[in-house]
Amino acid sequence: DAKTTQPNSMESNEEEPVHLPCNHSTISGTDYIHWYRQLPSQGPEYVIHGLTSNVNNRMASLAIAEDRKSSTLILHRATLRDAAVYYCILQYRWGKLIFGQGTELSVKP
Amino acid sequence: NAGVTQTPKFRVLKTGQSMTLLCAQDMNHEYMYWYRQDPGMGLRLIHYSVGEGTTAKGEVPDGYNVSRLKKQNFLLGLESAAPSQTSVYFCASSFPPTGHTGELFFGEGSRLTVL
Repeated sequence: DAKTTQPNSMESNEEEPVHLPCNHSTISGTDYIHWYRQLPSQGPEYVIHGLTSNVNNRMASLAIAEDRKSSTLILHRATLRDAAVYYCILQYRWGKLIFGQGTELSVKP
Repeated sequence: NAGVTQTPKFRVLKTGQSMTLLCAQDMNHEYMYWYRQDPGMGLRLIHYSVGEGTTAKGEVPDGYNVSRLKKQNFLLGLESAAPSQTSVYFCASSFPPTGHTGELFFGEGSRLTVL
């Protein structure tokens, strides 16, 4: 199974943009790149996903490298409520998601 | 709309006891999953199901059994609980990724302690 690599932790200041990196050098052509986040004491929640092109939604943007070996989740203006563990995950064709360790994001006021 | 509901939310077991966790979803999703999460770690896939009557093993299936007799329910069973199974268990469901985002919807988790 293809794996992802993320930094263990990152810090951000409130109302500043945050770029969360993810490496997935063994990604296959049919793997989707998903991002989920997990707030304290809650189940994970979907943030965004993409295959080849950059994607935007109301929560975040996803920038995918041209060779698809890395991607970056962009939170345009971090708020205190964005403090969470962010998981970069590869989704296989039939839907299975294998989570890695994730990046713990802390947001300072 | 309830989404994904897990029962029970908390349980304490003694080593060797058995129990069943119930996951129910009201979104007509085909796919359902059981994950476990240990302190400071990401989620690990235990078992999953791609439709009623089907189940398959995930990353860490040993010591667990599952059943999907009805489309809306996915049961996770521990036949003989061990302290190593102390964890928070999450259930999730989704539509098949083809034609959909493949987004997983998670329950709130079930905290199990095995003494």
